[in-house]
Amino acid sequence: ELQLLESGGGLVQPGGSLRLSCAASGFTFSTYPMTWVRQAPGKGLEWVSSIGISGSDTQYADSVKGRFTVSRDNAKYMVYLEMNSLRAEDTAVYFCAKYRGSGDRTFDPWGQGTLVTVSS
Amino acid sequence: EVVLTQSPATLSLSPGERATLSCRASQSVSSYLVWYQQRPGQAPRLLISDASNRATGIPARFSGSGSGTDFTLTISSLEPEDFAVYYCQQRSNWPLTFGGGTNVEIK
Repeated sequence: ELQLLESGGGLVQPGGSLRLSCAASGFTFSTYPMTWVRQAPGKGLEWVSSIGISGSDTQYADSVKGRFTVSRDNAKYMVYLEMNSLRAEDTAVYFCAKYRGSGDRTFDPWGQGTLVTVSS
Repeated sequence: EVVLTQSPATLSLSPGERATLSCRASQSVSSYLVWYQQRPGQAPRLLISDASNRATGIPARFSGSGSGTDFTLTISSLEPEDFAVYYCQQRSNWPLTFGGGTNVEIK
């Protein structure tokens, strides 16, 4: 069964750092780009970042560019989101999701998400 | 950036009724428009890809249409499990963007 499981969320002070992880299983991980999408409490969905199959092709939303770094380890079936200089507005549930195909930026499936709270 | 505007924000309907949800793009996204469903406390789930293609396992009561800038998601007869929030997403241009969502609630 195809599965994505996020971890690493928690409470962090403004200006702090956090590293999110997403463990994938049930598919050939190295052949699919991956993405991170977040959802602030009671709000809609916001795309955060995407990473290509080799890890060298990355994209970021302007709101996180220069502060967040996405990476992947194909051998471990893992994708990561390193978050630095965190702000209150980064408080959200962070979902990882799989692209449907190499050139298809349709997200399916999604993990259950991990909550990041930025507060003093 | 492609801005997606969903309307209405809230749709109050009864089970068995027809739901029509709209997603309008600020510029053409061709047919690269996706619909997701999100039930309370759950992750989003893919419903429709490329404007009109139902995802695997999605019931036939869900249908999508449109191209360019105007798109519609139709639920022909609402079932209790269909009361949820629906989001559109464009996959045409970077940055990838979502609409603000339509909450389909029980009347």
